Amino acid sequence: SYVLTQPPSVSVAPGQTARITCGGNNIGSKSVHWYQQKPGQAPVLVVYDDSDRPSGIPERFSGSNSGNTATLTISRVEAGDEADYYCQVWDSSSDPVVFGGGTKLTVL
Amino acid sequence: QVQLQESGPGLVKPSETLSLTCTVSGGSISSYYWSWIRQPPGKGLEWIGYIYYSGSTNYNPSLKSRVTISVDTSKNQFSLKLSSVTAADTAVYYCASIAAAGKVDYWGQGTLVTVSS
Repeated sequence: SYVLTQPPSVSVAPGQTARITCGGNNIGSKSVHWYQQKPGQAPVLVVYDDSDRPSGIPERFSGSNSGNTATLTISRVEAGDEADYYCQVWDSSSDPVVFGGGTKLTVL
Repeated sequence: QVQLQESGPGLVKPSETLSLTCTVSGGSISSYYWSWIRQPPGKGLEWIGYIYYSGSTNYNPSLKSRVTISVDTSKNQFSLKLSSVTAADTAVYYCASIAAAGKVDYWGQGTLVTVSS
């Protein structure tokens, strides 16, 4: 089955840029989606199809995907961005819905 | 805007069957794929399976032998049954919709199911 690898944690100071990676074999050939999950809440889609944002998601959230790594970038990080972030792909060849293990973003 | 709401028992005994229902409002169930996803306490997200309104299903291989997902289009609902549960099945269970390219665009609020005698 397809495996997505995320760093367990990322820390960043307010106002700086956070980058959360998602590694997978030839992930650049797939559409990657990113979710933000705050404690006690359901996940929220923040980036889809590698780099598109749903309505209502700030432009500070952006994504890229190439080769074996996809990246979620959060610019001008705010305290309210502190959350767990999950990447996800649709892999029709095996388990269709695959999530990464999640990354805890800490705002220092 | 599509809204999803899970319902079902919050406590299930070991070896019994966990049963949950998701009610879809604000949109027709006759579109999208409808999915169940779970999250054990303090852990990550795990896809359980999905169903298309036509009834076709796909399940996580690690759970396939114990999972059944069904749909009732007349009630705009879909359901999850997970048999022979153990403490390892204790989790928050989310129902969700899967749209183009597999993105999960709408989530229910989640319901905690505890497996304990």
